[in-house]
Amino acid sequence: EIVLTQSPGTLSLSPGERATLSCRASQSVSSTYVAWYQQKPGQAPRLLIYGSSSRATGIPDRFSGSGSGTDFTLTISRLEPEDFAVYYCQQYGSSLWTFGQGTKVEIK
Amino acid sequence: QVQLQESGPGLVKPSQTLSLTCSVSGDSISSADYYWNWIRQPPGKGLEWVGYIYFNGNTYYNPSLGSRLTISLDTAKNHFSLRLSSVTAADTAVYYCARRFVTPTKGWFDPWGQGTLVTVSS
Repeated sequence: EIVLTQSPGTLSLSPGERATLSCRASQSVSSTYVAWYQQKPGQAPRLLIYGSSSRATGIPDRFSGSGSGTDFTLTISRLEPEDFAVYYCQQYGSSLWTFGQGTKVEIK
Repeated sequence: QVQLQESGPGLVKPSQTLSLTCSVSGDSISSADYYWNWIRQPPGKGLEWVGYIYFNGNTYYNPSLGSRLTISLDTAKNHFSLRLSSVTAADTAVYYCARRFVTPTKGWFDPWGQGTLVTVSS
């Protein structure tokens, strides 16, 4: 099983600031096989990024993804009020698909 | 527009069987392009992929759930179902259904249902 470890657990930032979220895999994952989701309270996760760096339909370009091997990053260039949420990474490079434990982006 | 909707009891007693259904609209679960999945999230915790079913009835389950899990489909009703036996409090979670491409390089989940909370308690 590939374990994904996200850091930090919580990120306290102000609107307009840049957010950098990390996802580290316990073994190498092709960048093709990493996705990121946003989840707001009481809602289902929403796909943001797939293939490490491709934005899903309708996702603003302030969201970007990058990474390779065991280290992947989600960046939000300028936080908007609606971006404060929990973010999860997911890998689909092995037969058992796994998620990270999440990073909460909260208003400072 | 594809939509998924979970339904089922919100409360299940310990040792009994949890049963949920995911109704799909805007797409056919008979499509060979997709896996139909269950994913769960214990309150305040992260996401765990539970298992999937394919249009031909093939299934693949998270080994952590062992033999307690059964996923089935009803093509006539365009829905698929989850049954989890011998439940304990650890099975308390919001259960989501979600679609995933079969193609390995397209393994993200999209869309998702809104989720349904199942509490295991006597």
